[in-house]
Amino acid sequence: DAGVTQSPTHLIKTRGQQVTLRCSPKSGHDTVSWYQQALGQGPQFIFQYYEEEERQRGNFPDRFSGHQFPNYSSELNVNALLLGDSALYLCASSLAWGDRAYEQYFGPGTRLTVT
Amino acid sequence: GQSLEQPSEVTAVEGAIVQINCTYQTSGFYGLSWYQQHDGGAPTFLSYNALDGLEETGRFSSFLSRSDSYGYLLLQELQMKDSASYFCAVRGDRAYNQGGKLIFGQGTELSVKP
Repeated sequence: DAGVTQSPTHLIKTRGQQVTLRCSPKSGHDTVSWYQQALGQGPQFIFQYYEEEERQRGNFPDRFSGHQFPNYSSELNVNALLLGDSALYLCASSLAWGDRAYEQYFGPGTRLTVT
Repeated sequence: GQSLEQPSEVTAVEGAIVQINCTYQTSGFYGLSWYQQHDGGAPTFLSYNALDGLEETGRFSSFLSRSDSYGYLLLQELQMKDSASYFCAVRGDRAYNQGGKLIFGQGTELSVKP
């Protein structure tokens, strides 16, 4: 049973560029959340997708956008990259309903460095 | 605003018991979770409390007092492999589903010494 997978593992971009990160949820999960984790900090919620729609959003600018596909996989897009966007980007999958809907399974993350 | 407070670091010896506290201030509250993250790794789920009281899972226990906006994670029989960062996280919204976004604390770095 594959867990949450993310690609790429590392990425180096230049200020002003655009980036796309990808996530495949754990088998059987239908909800994908994205988090940004700066060094030494806790993960910060970016947004959550369910049924191919953005359902909840954290305090992130419109430069951050996403998509969920019919197979439940998801993409995170960041436009006009800033130095401050350098962080570990984590994808987490979960079930929308059920006894263990509160449990989120995290992927290994994509380490984004903006120079 | 919404915030969670936990100690930045804790040190203990192998075989000991350690308690990591978490206090929260959120506009809503639907449950407190704990996650473990080893250096550079993915956070992994440890426990969840929606109601007051103690939940036990092997060497780990978690406690919640909603009236005090407080919870803790208790780790017993510490092992070297328990050295990691521990995060408390609150589900603060009643979203369209039972999951919803998590608000994380800054994390507590636990160092287990021989």
